[in-house]
Amino acid sequence: NAGVTQTPKFRVLKTGQSMTLLCAQDMNHEYMYWYRQDPGMGLRLIHYSVGEGTTAKGEVPDGYNVSRLKKQNFLLGLESAAPSQTSVYFCASTLTGMGEQYFGPGTRLTVT
Amino acid sequence: SQQGEEDPQALSIQEGENATMNCSYKTSINNLQWYRQNSGRGLVHLILIRSNEREKHSGRLRVTLDTSKKSSSLLITASRAADTASYFCATYNSGYSTLTFGKGTMLLVSP
Repeated sequence: NAGVTQTPKFRVLKTGQSMTLLCAQDMNHEYMYWYRQDPGMGLRLIHYSVGEGTTAKGEVPDGYNVSRLKKQNFLLGLESAAPSQTSVYFCASTLTGMGEQYFGPGTRLTVT
Repeated sequence: SQQGEEDPQALSIQEGENATMNCSYKTSINNLQWYRQNSGRGLVHLILIRSNEREKHSGRLRVTLDTSKKSSSLLITASRAADTASYFCATYNSGYSTLTFGKGTMLLVSP
């Protein structure tokens, strides 16, 4: 099992550009999450999904959109990137909402 | 706002010593989890303790939970250089249906 994978690993964007981050899991997990991690801020939840076709806002959803068209994939989109979105993005999944989360390796995004 | 707050922010010890990290939180929880993050990597789950449990062990890890004080501690015994990492507590509350992470404790274990 690959677990949780994220694509791409690194990306540099110019302000105003758009991009999509892909998260895939092969554990048949219902719940999937997108977090961002900034120095000194810990992990903050952006959006999450409790099953295929569902999405919900987390703590810091502004400027991001998500889609969960297939159970194994959770996409995070930035429509118009801003320097404030420079961060490391982590995807995670879990079988039940209250159980341990499995994390991907992260995507390091820089917006100039 | 973040639920869990770890203390200390950074901890430096020698190999063989014990490391203790603390986590405080604000509202009632269903469970509390500890995660480890090596530099530049994703988080790895270490241990989960339910709200009706007071202590839990896993290898060299010991976690305690005091719901009356809204606090938890993670003890790593006989630390190794490989334990060098950041450690995060995360709380689960069924009302929010998501985990809320603290800012973490950076542990440095010197040979």
